[in-house]
Amino acid sequence: RKEVEQDPGPFNVPEGATVAFNCTYSNSASQSFFWYRQDCRKEPKLLMSVYSSGNEDGRFTAQLNRASQYISLLIRDSKLSDSATYLCVSRSGYNTDKLIFGTGTRLQVFP
Amino acid sequence: DAGVIQSPRHEVTEMGQEVTLRCKPISGHNSLFWYRQTMMRGLELLIYFNNNVPIDDSGMPEDRFSAKMPNASFSTLKIQPSEPRDSAVYFCASTSRYPNEKLFFGSGTQLSVL
Repeated sequence: RKEVEQDPGPFNVPEGATVAFNCTYSNSASQSFFWYRQDCRKEPKLLMSVYSSGNEDGRFTAQLNRASQYISLLIRDSKLSDSATYLCVSRSGYNTDKLIFGTGTRLQVFP
Repeated sequence: DAGVIQSPRHEVTEMGQEVTLRCKPISGHNSLFWYRQTMMRGLELLIYFNNNVPIDDSGMPEDRFSAKMPNASFSTLKIQPSEPRDSAVYFCASTSRYPNEKLFFGSGTQLSVL
């Protein structure tokens, strides 16, 4: 079983829609979590960190549920420019810099 | 800031040849990572270094792969001999844990082994 698992999608949504992605992790020792965004043929870039208390950045909200070992990303009022692959990332343990990426969830926003 | 610099951007080689990928991390970053990305397996961590020392190489596929970081500003990933199944995009990334854990990626090397 992969340490970080995501639904590959694609999620096809119209502009203005709200869309949510979930990600599960298997390592209960994982300490930090992140969402990265990757555009086609580009490198991944940090979208936001995920905190236990939740984290909101404009239209984007990230949540962490340690009891169920999942992370979510909510995008409100989707824009065409949100079309990308969203990668869920966990840091495996406290005293490590090892960052494990999920295979990503592809989002396509259409007009 | 120039960001993480990788070279070459594209590499096409024949099976059996040696391939060397290069990476210059962001100045001041003390952690460097090599990832490989394919459609089937996504982004896989191959190896990472802290302060130029290899910490975890459990993701290196086999002995054909080796990585070095002779100093804080340079790292190489070598494949010898290369095989068609090594075809992928290889990313280098660097970070400093503090004040945040943002990982900065290079533009990647697209490797095709024929």
